Amino acid sequence: SQTIHQWPATLVQPVGSPLSLECTVEGTSNPNLYWYRQAAGRGLQLLFYSVGIGQISSEVPQNLSASRPQDRQFILSSKKLLLSDSGFYLCAWSIGTLQETQYFGPGTRLLVL
Amino acid sequence: GEDVEQSLFLSVREGDSSVINCTYTDSSSTYLYWYKQEPGAGLQLLTYIFSNMDMKQDQRLTVLLNKKDKHLSLRIADTQTGDSAIYFCAERYGNKLVFGAGTILRVKS
Repeated sequence: SQTIHQWPATLVQPVGSPLSLECTVEGTSNPNLYWYRQAAGRGLQLLFYSVGIGQISSEVPQNLSASRPQDRQFILSSKKLLLSDSGFYLCAWSIGTLQETQYFGPGTRLLVL
Repeated sequence: GEDVEQSLFLSVREGDSSVINCTYTDSSSTYLYWYKQEPGAGLQLLTYIFSNMDMKQDQRLTVLLNKKDKHLSLRIADTQTGDSAIYFCAERYGNKLVFGAGTILRVKS
């Protein structure tokens, strides 16, 4: 069966520091991968999605970037964090076309101080 | 543009039925989803419905879709304290899911 991991689970970082959040998927090949952010009391906003290694689509302009160095690894990064980057970051995967159902990881809670 | 709206809060007694409502704007939606988020956790897919269906039932969950009014609802029968969570409605819009802000369901024992 497929599983999705995210780490760290919680992160507290100062403003201006770099960020690297990692997401890995097991039990499937060639997944579509997604990064979402959930601000406090809000719904989810799609940040990036990837259909393959090195293929990244950005949904909204922001202070963040994403990379996919391996088939089942998706990384969310920032060179300099802003206060507004605080939130709950969720990684998700799907298989087949981008129309397929998405399954979510446990999330990383980021607090920027 | 796409938009999904949900009521923010619902409180029910244990054993009663819960109905969580959602409206969406994209008339070309193909799939509509319900996800559950427990405190501090990721999202768990509960169920989904294809836009050519009116109803889908899965154990205690019933999804009703009114395409004319672009209205989606999730009914939870015999609501239990373990059902307390945030419930997100989502519609597929192109290559992405568009989520509502979530409905907090509180179940009182």
